[in-house]
Amino acid sequence: GAGVSQSPRYKVAKRGQDVALRCDPISGHVSLFWYQQALGQGPEFLTYFQNEAQLDKSGLPSDRFFAERPEGSVSTLKIQRTQQEDSAVYLCASSPQRGERGDTQYFGPGTRLTVL
Amino acid sequence: QQQVKQSPQSLIVQKGGISIINCAYENTAFDYFPWYQQFPGKGPALLIAIRPDVSEKKEGRFTISFNKSAKQFSLHIMDSQPGDSATYFCAASPPYNFNKFYFGSGTKLNVKP
Repeated sequence: GAGVSQSPRYKVAKRGQDVALRCDPISGHVSLFWYQQALGQGPEFLTYFQNEAQLDKSGLPSDRFFAERPEGSVSTLKIQRTQQEDSAVYLCASSPQRGERGDTQYFGPGTRLTVL
Repeated sequence: QQQVKQSPQSLIVQKGGISIINCAYENTAFDYFPWYQQFPGKGPALLIAIRPDVSEKKEGRFTISFNKSAKQFSLHIMDSQPGDSATYFCAASPPYNFNKFYFGSGTKLNVKP
């Protein structure tokens, strides 16, 4: 079956522009996660949804970052007034269970954001 | 402060050799330790995971060794193959926030034919 998909795969933005990154999780997956992966680094947790509820947003680096999942499936990560330090790969992951221990997270290919 | 420290940053191994990647953590509350494999242009994929109630877990050519007292764990890839060439990430999560994975900085493995 289809895995996690993300769009666009690449995004170039001028500093100050707003961007929206989309994640389509695996159908039926309850949990959805966003990560930020800087070049040469491991993914860093941004936020977590269980269905449409955003249960943890402790990793969002500033109030310019906003995520939503209004119908409990597709999610959008929005970054307002982009800065150069926002340049990274943004990964989305989904998992089937209600955040149970040891639940496998299935990652999408990521969106590479470059802010000029 | 990086919660999980990973080494080496890069590793070159001959085909058939053993690849060893090490991770260390500070938070003694961590109780779930997965390893992820990432190929260029792809997202990370779960490879193998361990809990601290066992000292070793083996799945095929991949083995995790866990040393709770030293707060260290490592991935061993036996009979390394060119197809294993990828970036490997260790991670850890605590029971009070088990959806929040803390990843290491990654090890780029190159297996020479």
